[in-house]
Amino acid sequence: AQSVAQPEDQVNVAEGNPLTVKCTYSVSGNPYLFWYVQYPNRGLQFLLKYITGDNLVKGSYGFEAEFNKSQTSFHLKKPSALVSDSALYFCAVSPNDYKLSFGAGTTVTVRA
Amino acid sequence: EAGVAQSPRYKIIEKRQSVAFWCNPISGHATLYWYQQILGQGPKLLIQFQNNGVVDDSQLPKDRFSAERLKGVDSTLKIQPAKLEDSAVYLCASSGRDRGSGELFFGEGSRLTVL
Repeated sequence: AQSVAQPEDQVNVAEGNPLTVKCTYSVSGNPYLFWYVQYPNRGLQFLLKYITGDNLVKGSYGFEAEFNKSQTSFHLKKPSALVSDSALYFCAVSPNDYKLSFGAGTTVTVRA
Repeated sequence: EAGVAQSPRYKIIEKRQSVAFWCNPISGHATLYWYQQILGQGPKLLIQFQNNGVVDDSQLPKDRFSAERLKGVDSTLKIQPAKLEDSAVYLCASSGRDRGSGELFFGEGSRLTVL
């Protein structure tokens, strides 16, 4: 079985400050890891993925994520947050196929 | 490129009534998914199609939920009879032939309220 934990329901940061959204996972074998973002009244949008290779993955809108195998983590980061980054963020894991399991989500609020 | 289309966007029904949701994936995408997203939770996979065949429906409550994908394009998800706990957003997603890419394209969802 595969699962994802997002330990923080909410993250609040000031615009211009670094943003981190945490994610830990559990899966058999090598993980496929993903981040998606959901803006109000919109569908989920793909941000980035890790399948293999460099542990630091760069994605859309200036986001990046770092894969840490020993800590089974895949935290999402952005060096300088924008108000427009305020949204619901989902981490997801797959055991090597299309079947993604999503976390419960973390609401990010960036204040001006 | 047109995105994933879903309808209706909103539906309110009484318990024990039936409802159907429609999805049109991105043109050429072989894989289609239906997810259920209950308020405060992450999306949960209900069923996955590859072309018009079912790949995974292990989490689909088959006593009340059914889904089909005729001709490997559009798909319909039906709930009959609906229960209060079926209140959720039903998300359709599609992906291309790059197996394992994990990049799913989601529609805006169909929000169901069961009273």
